[in-house]
Amino acid sequence: RKEVEQDPGPFNVPEGATVAFNCTYSNSASQSFFWYRQDCRKEPKLLMSVYSSGNEDGRFTAQLNRASQYISLLIRDSKLSDSATYLCVVNGYSGSARQLTFGSGTQLTVLP
Amino acid sequence: DVKVTQSSRYLVKRTGEKVFLECVQDMDHENMFWYRQDPGLGLRLIYFSYDVKMKEKGDIPEGYSVSREKKERFSLILESASTNQTSMYLCASSTNPNTEAFFGQGTRLTVV
Repeated sequence: RKEVEQDPGPFNVPEGATVAFNCTYSNSASQSFFWYRQDCRKEPKLLMSVYSSGNEDGRFTAQLNRASQYISLLIRDSKLSDSATYLCVVNGYSGSARQLTFGSGTQLTVLP
Repeated sequence: DVKVTQSSRYLVKRTGEKVFLECVQDMDHENMFWYRQDPGLGLRLIYFSYDVKMKEKGDIPEGYSVSREKKERFSLILESASTNQTSMYLCASSTNPNTEAFFGQGTRLTVV
């Protein structure tokens, strides 16, 4: 089983739609969680951190469910500029290791 | 402005060559990482370092080595390049495992 699993998509949605991505992780000792965004042929960049209480940044809402070991990202009122690949990232400890583990990404295309 | 710089954007090397990929960060970060990104597989961790002269294997270290002689510089070495090492290589750095990681622009390596 992969440590971090995401639905690869692609998700093709019209402008203004609401879209949700889910991600599951296998390491129950994981401590920090993030969503990164990666535009085509560019490096990943942090979109938002994910906190236990859930957090919102404008049109973006992230949720964490530790009991079920999943993370979600909700995008409301999608814009064309939201088209990108969204990467779920889990940071934690595996033995003595301290590392970022990435999901393979979910591709989103927002259509006019 | 934070910056992670990789020495080359594009590189073409022959099978059997020794290849050096350099990464420099100017943020005084302790942690540095090397990933490769392939379609359908996402980002996979090759090696990481949490201090000068310290290194730990990631998920796919075979065929690679690393060097961290100075805090700001983390080098990835392909001892004898092979065609299956053709990939996008991404370097990242962070203050600690629970904070944002900053990526370089990536090096697209082709081994022929």
